[in-house]
Amino acid sequence: EVQLLQSGADLKKPGATVKISCKVSGYTFTDSFIHWVQQAPGKGLEWMGRIDPEDGDALYADNFRGRLTITADRSTDTVYMELTSLTIEDTAFYYCAPGDTLVRFDPWGQGTLVTVSS
Amino acid sequence: IQMTQSPSSLSASVGDRVTVTCRASQTINRSLNWYQQKPGKAPKLLMYFTSNLQSGVPSRFSGSGSGTDFTLTITGLQREDFATYYCQQSHRAPYSFGQGTKLEI
Repeated sequence: EVQLLQSGADLKKPGATVKISCKVSGYTFTDSFIHWVQQAPGKGLEWMGRIDPEDGDALYADNFRGRLTITADRSTDTVYMELTSLTIEDTAFYYCAPGDTLVRFDPWGQGTLVTVSS
Repeated sequence: IQMTQSPSSLSASVGDRVTVTCRASQTINRSLNWYQQKPGKAPKLLMYFTSNLQSGVPSRFSGSGSGTDFTLTITGLQREDFATYYCQQSHRAPYSFGQGTKLEI
């Protein structure tokens, strides 16, 4: 069974950096890109970026470029999403999901709530 | 690519047939996926490449369209279908989502 287990909720102050982990199991880590999606409370879904765990190649959405870094650790089958210079607007759930060649995201991690507050 | 869903919310009853529309700002061929999200849960893939049901998804869900206009139809609504639905284009990055359609009783 494919599973993505994300790290727990986090509380950060404005200007801080958050790093969320997404541990993959149930399939070969390098077989699928891992994507990250942001969802502010009560709002819609926004694609943030993705990484190819095979070679570490990452692609970022314009809205996050410069603040977002996605990395992959093949020794632990874990992907990390780091977002810097946090503002209150970054308060959101963050989800990871594998995406195949059809770029269909399935299954999703359970989500990680990041709260940014002074 | 901008994705626009309509309506934003929809009220229906058990047994009804409902349709959600998704429009892309440019052609995406048939590269369109649908997700269902229930409160407090992660989204779940319902349909991929416009009309292909994900494994385990009931056949009352169907999808159609191509180019820029797509629809998700639920025939014979069940109580467990009341949720928010999102379309997502998988044509090219950034893989944008529609704003969501909340299906309420």
